[in-house]
This record gives sequence, structure tokens and C-alpha cells, in this order.
Amino acid sequence: SQKIEQNSEALNIQEGKTATLTCNYTNYSPAYLQWYRQDPGRGPVFLLLIRENEKEKRKERLKVTFDTTLKQSLFHITASQPADSATYLCALAATSNTGKLIFGQGTTLQVKP
Amino acid sequence: DAGVIQSPRHEVTEMGQEVTLRCKPISGHDYLFWYRQTMMRGLELLIYFNNNVPIDDSGMPEDRFSAKMPNASFSTLKIQPSEPRDSAVYFCASMGDRRYQETQYFGPGTRLLVL
Repeated sequence: SQKIEQNSEALNIQEGKTATLTCNYTNYSPAYLQWYRQDPGRGPVFLLLIRENEKEKRKERLKVTFDTTLKQSLFHITASQPADSATYLCALAATSNTGKLIFGQGTTLQVKP
Repeated sequence: DAGVIQSPRHEVTEMGQEVTLRCKPISGHDYLFWYRQTMMRGLELLIYFNNNVPIDDSGMPEDRFSAKMPNASFSTLKIQPSEPRDSAVYFCASMGDRRYQETQYFGPGTRLLVL
């Protein structure tokens, strides 16, 4: 069956370190993958998109990689700050022509000062 | 633009009552999505529209749920009759022309509690 897995346990790191979040999937061939941030009591906010033919994407302190052989995406936040504390969701687009996304359960990141 | 607007923000109702959730997408966006989020199941897509037409309603849990989009600036999600297991946060999201962008913009959500 199709499945998207993110670290279910919270990730706790020290300010200034690099946070690395994992998204694994099975039985999908996504056209692209997105990462969203969600703060308590609010809707998800888009961060980055990476397509199936791209290996890496960067935006300021954020970096996402996409390995279609391993069926895995890694999301990195460098020089992390307490303000980065939130839940991060990965989302797969099964096809490129519908906009339909399947979301993972999310990983909660806590950055301690 | 004010972003995606949802109302009400909170709804408490009793089992068996009808619940109507409302959404105003970002002006000019062609796509509208309804999601439900719970601790157990995460964020699930219920239904989505393209140019006011329902495209995929395979995520709608059962016939008690219905959604409409009478025009480009308004959509409703109705639950009738409501049950305690419907308690969740319901999000509406909109997206522009996917040829140019595939970002979904989420509203603040409606927190529904069915007693």
C-alpha cells in the first residue's frame, strides 16, 4: 500500500545546529514533493518544492534533497533558531497535472536556545 | 490579498446537528481544496475543485459529508448529521494556475468539536 513516513518523534536540537528531517515514501512515483511548516493553531505554510528530476533545492537556510531511488527526501535547516520550532510536513504530488497532495504526519522540531 | 478566509474559526455542536463550514479562496485561484486534520490521521484531503467543478471527492468519508462551490469566491463543506468522530480541524486551501505555481495556500482552519 502507499505510505509516507516522517519521524514521529519530536526532534530536539540546540540553537545554531543543523536540523535534518526525513520523509520516506513507498509505492509512489511523485512528480514533485513539497515541504510545509505548521505552527500550533495555524494552517500549513509552503516552504519549498522539489521535482522528480532535481536532486537538491535551497532557499536561504533551508535545503531539501530528493532521492527517487531511495524514495526519500531530506529537509535541512542550517544555523537553526528557536523561531524555527514548528511541525514540518512533507507532501507528495502523485501526478503533476492535478495539484493533489498527499501529506505525511509531520515531524515536530524544537530548537532550544 | 487577505489570504484564504475560513469561517467559523471554532464550532461546537451536538451530535446529529448540521454543520456548515465556509471558505473564501484567494482571488484568482483556480483550485480549492478541503482537508481534515486529526492527531491520529494527520492531514487528509477530502475533496478538491478546479474552476468550481469537483474533481476528486474520493477522500470524503461518507455521505454525511458534502461540498459545494457555487462560484469562484466561495465554497462550503457540510456535515449532516454530525458525529463525535467528525471532531477535527478542517482546512481550506487554494492554488493558482498550476502551470505557473503549485503552492497551496491554507486558511487558518475551523476547529470543530462534536459533542
